[in-house]
Amino acid sequence: GEDVEQSLFLSVREGDSSVINCTYTDSSSTYLYWYKQEPGAGLQLLTYIFSNMDMKQDQRLTVLLNKKDKHLSLRIADTQTGDSAIYFCAVDYKLSFGAGTTVTVRA
Amino acid sequence: SAVISQKPSRDICQRGTSLTIQCQVDSQVTMMFWYRQQPGQSLTLIATANQGSEATYESGFVIDKFPISRPNLTFSTLTVSNMSPEDSSIYLCSVPGRYNEQFFGPGTRLTVL
Repeated sequence: GEDVEQSLFLSVREGDSSVINCTYTDSSSTYLYWYKQEPGAGLQLLTYIFSNMDMKQDQRLTVLLNKKDKHLSLRIADTQTGDSAIYFCAVDYKLSFGAGTTVTVRA
Repeated sequence: SAVISQKPSRDICQRGTSLTIQCQVDSQVTMMFWYRQQPGQSLTLIATANQGSEATYESGFVIDKFPISRPNLTFSTLTVSNMSPEDSSIYLCSVPGRYNEQFFGPGTRLTVL
């Protein structure tokens, strides 16, 4: 199956930008997704990008895709305390998930 | 996006017993998925449930341990059979969206003693 890797932890100051990185192995991946999981809650789809795109922006979220390096990133601008959560990247329709990056926003 | 509910939201069960988790969707969908999220870990796909046919299980998961029903296009159940503490997890159902993204239910938090 698909291998998806993420860094496990990120600490960021409120108001700064957060960048969460993800790498994957299957170059034929068509869809790539970012999910957010708040404590005790289910998974919420944040955004997705098609493999034929390099970038997608959605309000405070920017997704960058480097197909050559099989690298996906999620940038959160003006990070707020409500952004503290675990962020998962996922690949393709059966959703191979990364281990999740725990983002902690400090005041 | 679909609205998905699950029952129960959480349960504490004894070793050796079974628990059936229900998943209800507010629209008709062909495919439903069941995932497991073990404590502190990522999600793993258990099986795909199609209405009118047997569920398709991923490697490492078998029907005897995780029987699935899919009686109609809006409902599915997952049973965790003969439970052991290693089955303590969050179990989530999901349905695909237009771009194959998954919309998840709130999850069932299971603790096995």
